[in-house]
Amino acid sequence: EIVMTQSPATLSVSPGERATLSCRASQSVSSNLAWYQQKPGQAPRLLIYGASTRATGIPARFSGSGSGTEFTLTISSLQSEDFAVYYCQQYNNWPPGTFGGGTKVEIK
Amino acid sequence: EVQLVESGGGLVKPGGSLRLSCAASGFTFSSYSMNWVRQAPGKGLEWVSSISSSSSYIYYADSVKGRFTISRDNAKNSLYLQMNSLRAEDTAVYYCARVPYDIPRGYFDYWGQGTLVTVSS
Repeated sequence: EIVMTQSPATLSVSPGERATLSCRASQSVSSNLAWYQQKPGQAPRLLIYGASTRATGIPARFSGSGSGTEFTLTISSLQSEDFAVYYCQQYNNWPPGTFGGGTKVEIK
Repeated sequence: EVQLVESGGGLVKPGGSLRLSCAASGFTFSSYSMNWVRQAPGKGLEWVSSISSSSSYIYYADSVKGRFTISRDNAKNSLYLQMNSLRAEDTAVYYCARVPYDIPRGYFDYWGQGTLVTVSS
């Protein structure tokens, strides 16, 4: 089973600043990596798939990069609505479709 | 508009059973694979099970294999999860989620709002 490790667990950022979230896979997942955003009491929302393709309706301030075992989600200028928990998920080796433990982006 | 609406959650005793449903609308249900993903209180996301569009391929997480059964009724645009021999560690919000193609592996482009399952005596 591929293990997905996200860092940091919590990221404190001021509005307008840049946020960089990391996701590491225990073995290569090629570009089969997705990112989700989850706000309290809500279902996750797809942000990025294929490591770098934004989902429909996702603002351009969200960008994804990486391949193999190292991936990054960047939020270029944090807006108030971006404070949430972010998860990565690999879908290269199935089953299972493993998620990372999440990174909470909080207001500094 | 794509909509996924789960139902069937509730409080059940350890060892008991529960059947979750997910009603789909706004897309051609029979063309897409579907999944169940759960989230224990205050914890992260855990993939539970997936089923291909025609039910030809079905997969389970090791944690639920032999206890849970996923199924679908394409005529009713519905996805199901039969959960037997429930344990306290199965307590979670259960989401149904769509994969944007007909093979049961991939990312999840649409999610339901979730239904809470609580296993407690």
